[in-house]
Amino acid sequence: GAVVSQHPSRVICKSGTSVKIECRSLDFQATTMFWYRQFPKQSLMLMATSNEGSKATYEQGVEKDKFLINHASLTLSTLTVTSAHPEDSSFYICSARDVGGAYTEQFFGPGTRLTVL
Amino acid sequence: GEDVEQSLFLSVREGDSSVINCTYTDSSSTYLYWYKQEPGAGLQLLTYIFSNMDMKQDQRLTVLLNKKDKHLSLRIADTQTGDSAIYFCAETPPKGSKLSFGAGTTVTVRA
Repeated sequence: GAVVSQHPSRVICKSGTSVKIECRSLDFQATTMFWYRQFPKQSLMLMATSNEGSKATYEQGVEKDKFLINHASLTLSTLTVTSAHPEDSSFYICSARDVGGAYTEQFFGPGTRLTVL
Repeated sequence: GEDVEQSLFLSVREGDSSVINCTYTDSSSTYLYWYKQEPGAGLQLLTYIFSNMDMKQDQRLTVLLNKKDKHLSLRIADTQTGDSAIYFCAETPPKGSKLSFGAGTTVTVRA
């Protein structure tokens, strides 16, 4: 089955540092990947849509200079949280859409728990 | 998301059926999904239904769609302790793959 991995699964960093989160589709190609943020006991908020070989599309209210997205290949997208602050602490989840999929299913990664001290 | 609404909590006894309800506002929604999220994990697609269907059954899961009322439900038969999780309803519009999620229903299965 389609598997999406994320690395790291958990990261703790100091305020002001940058953190990179990787999202990989392991057994399929994904021209489109999505980055979500989930606050405790809340739903997923779409942050941006990552397109292979082109610039990411950010949702309203999401700072593109704060959350840098790179989709360098059909199997890898990265999210870099720059100059992280405690309010950036959250659960970040990526998903990938299989280019060969018959419908618009997205396969989700296991998530990355970011804690900024 | 504000376009998709769910009740927040459901408590059910082991062995009983669980019914999770969802309402949505976009009448042009093409696909409607149910995802399961266990603690500290990502989302797992449980099932989906195309908007021209009324019902879909997959083992213990039954999805009912009332397009007129924009109401979607997920019934889990013979609920087990492993079914304890957060269940998200989601929908996509016809020409996009963006998912709009509900707030999630936390299902607690008690012995």
